[in-house]
Amino acid sequence: GQQVMQIPQYQHVQEGEDFTTYCNSSTTLSNIQWYKQRPGGHPVFLIQLVKSGEVKKQKRLTFQFGEAKKNSSLHITATQTTDVGTYFCAPNNAGNMLTFGGGTRLMVKP
Amino acid sequence: GAGVSQSPSNKVTEKGKDVELRCDPISGHTALYWYRQSLGQGLEFLIYFQGNSAPDKSGLPSDRFSAERTGGSVSTLTIQRTQQEDSAVYLCASSLDYNQPQHFGDGTRLSIL
Repeated sequence: GQQVMQIPQYQHVQEGEDFTTYCNSSTTLSNIQWYKQRPGGHPVFLIQLVKSGEVKKQKRLTFQFGEAKKNSSLHITATQTTDVGTYFCAPNNAGNMLTFGGGTRLMVKP
Repeated sequence: GAGVSQSPSNKVTEKGKDVELRCDPISGHTALYWYRQSLGQGLEFLIYFQGNSAPDKSGLPSDRFSAERTGGSVSTLTIQRTQQEDSAVYLCASSLDYNQPQHFGDGTRLSIL
């Protein structure tokens, strides 16, 4: 079956520092989605990547899909306290159920 | 428009009792998912409904868990003879179609005493 690893599990940063979370799959993906879950909240969809090597930006967030479509990353530039939460990748392999990675919990010290 | 609605928001029950959790998806969404999330943990997939197709039940942890979706809309997740390890937040999500972005409800926080 599809194996997904998301790293790191936890990350503490000082406000203003950058942050990156990585999602790695053992199989080639058809697409990948990213979600953010604030403490006490529910996951909220951020973005979907479909094309090999795709890069998408949302303000301070940069999402990348690897050339081989087996890995993806989310990079946040100059973190703010509003970025606190858990970031989940949700890789999809065509024909299989979309699965969620274990998530990366981001904590930002003001 | 209205988002995904789940009820109850909180449920406290005694071990051994049955519980029913309800999910009202976004109107027009053909796909509906149930997940379980323990404190500080990731999302554990439970079951997936797509249109009129047979549901994907591969994530249900035991035969005490079952779910149905009536009329392609409202879904109910039933847990029979609850155990303390069933305590968690149960999240429902819907999407326009398979593989599309999922919209989550606020979840039901289930506590088994």
